[in-house]
Amino acid sequence: DSGVTQTPKHLITATGQRVTLRCSPRSGDLSVYWYQQSLDQGLQFLIQYYNGEERAKGNILERFSAQQFPDLHSELNLSSLELGDSALYFCASSVVRGGPQSTGELFFGEGSRLTVL
Amino acid sequence: AQKITQTQPGMFVQEKEAVTLDCTYDTSDQSYGLFWYKQPSSGEMIFLIYQGSYDEQNATEGRYSLNFQKARKSANLVISASQLGDSAMYFCAMRDGGFQKLVFGTGTRLLVSP
Repeated sequence: DSGVTQTPKHLITATGQRVTLRCSPRSGDLSVYWYQQSLDQGLQFLIQYYNGEERAKGNILERFSAQQFPDLHSELNLSSLELGDSALYFCASSVVRGGPQSTGELFFGEGSRLTVL
Repeated sequence: AQKITQTQPGMFVQEKEAVTLDCTYDTSDQSYGLFWYKQPSSGEMIFLIYQGSYDEQNATEGRYSLNFQKARKSANLVISASQLGDSAMYFCAMRDGGFQKLVFGTGTRLLVSP
């Protein structure tokens, strides 16, 4: 158990709809990352938040948005869904300013599998 | 920008044998970190091993070792004494100097046969 919690685990919806994916980072981790993994693909970085502020942006579509709340949980909003948005969406968290032995590894949640029909 | 290349889409190995999964990287940074993650069929991402760019020795974690060749910009994962449970996708990843996002390769699917 990585300590990162993602809900829902599975979600099936129709094209044109909007969904919200939720992530609770590990206790004490200030940084949250969202990744998209399409079928048999690598992980594509979407966006990173640190302590409530956007830190880095990747290949995130304009139809997608995210935020990190004061309690550090994060939500990824996907709107006007298309068939191609079907994917496994991962949230990860990390210690941004760890000690000398900290590797900066990302701890991943189990993912939210989105199916758009 | 950082780039990770994994040229082996799939690898086969027999149980109890060793296997090497290739990873090359490209970066202009002097300080960086390299990671390997395992993704079993259940989907979760499991951290395996880490190598810092300034680490003089190759990293090892149990049956996993990282063959780090800085001049060649390669960070190959070696799994010794393969087990059936090692069958999974393996991703090589890199972060830049700070505690920033990881950039992932396309992965290698490893199948371990009895």
